[in-house]
Amino acid sequence: DAKTTQPNSMESNEEEPVHLPCNHSTISGTDYIHWYRQLPSQGPEYVIHGLTSNVNNRMASLAIAEDRKSSTLILHRATLRDAAVYYCILRDVEEYGNKLVFGAGTILRVKS
Amino acid sequence: ETGVTQTPRHLVMGMTNKKSLKCEQHLGHNAMYWYKQSAKKPLELMFVYSLEERVENNSVPSRFSPECPNSSHLFLHLHTLQPEDSALYLCASSQTLGGWYEQYFGPGTRLTVT
Repeated sequence: DAKTTQPNSMESNEEEPVHLPCNHSTISGTDYIHWYRQLPSQGPEYVIHGLTSNVNNRMASLAIAEDRKSSTLILHRATLRDAAVYYCILRDVEEYGNKLVFGAGTILRVKS
Repeated sequence: ETGVTQTPRHLVMGMTNKKSLKCEQHLGHNAMYWYKQSAKKPLELMFVYSLEERVENNSVPSRFSPECPNSSHLFLHLHTLQPEDSALYLCASSQTLGGWYEQYFGPGTRLTVT
């Protein structure tokens, strides 16, 4: 599986946008970029995924670099409820098994 | 509420005990997973089931024994565990194994082995 690199932690102010970076320089053409997050005392939850184009949903936006070697998860207005560990995961869509390989992720702290 | 429930939420067991963790999904999914999350370590995939058939076992010791009697239920039977097996055990489900489908996780069972 191709690897991802994320900062260990980031801090944000409430109501401000947050940009969470992820580097994946060895990404292959069939790797989708997935983001999950894990709130305290909960299991992970799906946030967003994309292949080449930028993606938006009700939770966040995903901006993917043109060469696909990096991506950024954007939370448009951080709330205290967004404090969590955010995981950037590559998944090869051609690989059978729907395996998610989690790294250490980025701990996001949100200040009021 | 993700549609995936796990019981018990907390479990303390001695090294000679036998216990079971239960997972139930109410989403009509065909694939189910067990993950282990130890302190200060990333989540590790343990087992994968598709339509009640085990399709992956990630070199998990035999003291962990999974069971999937139907597509809605998944068990993890535990026996003669070690203190280093103390961790958060997470169950997840997805629509199928093919393609990409997002995984829905339960809240986990916090296991302490004494």
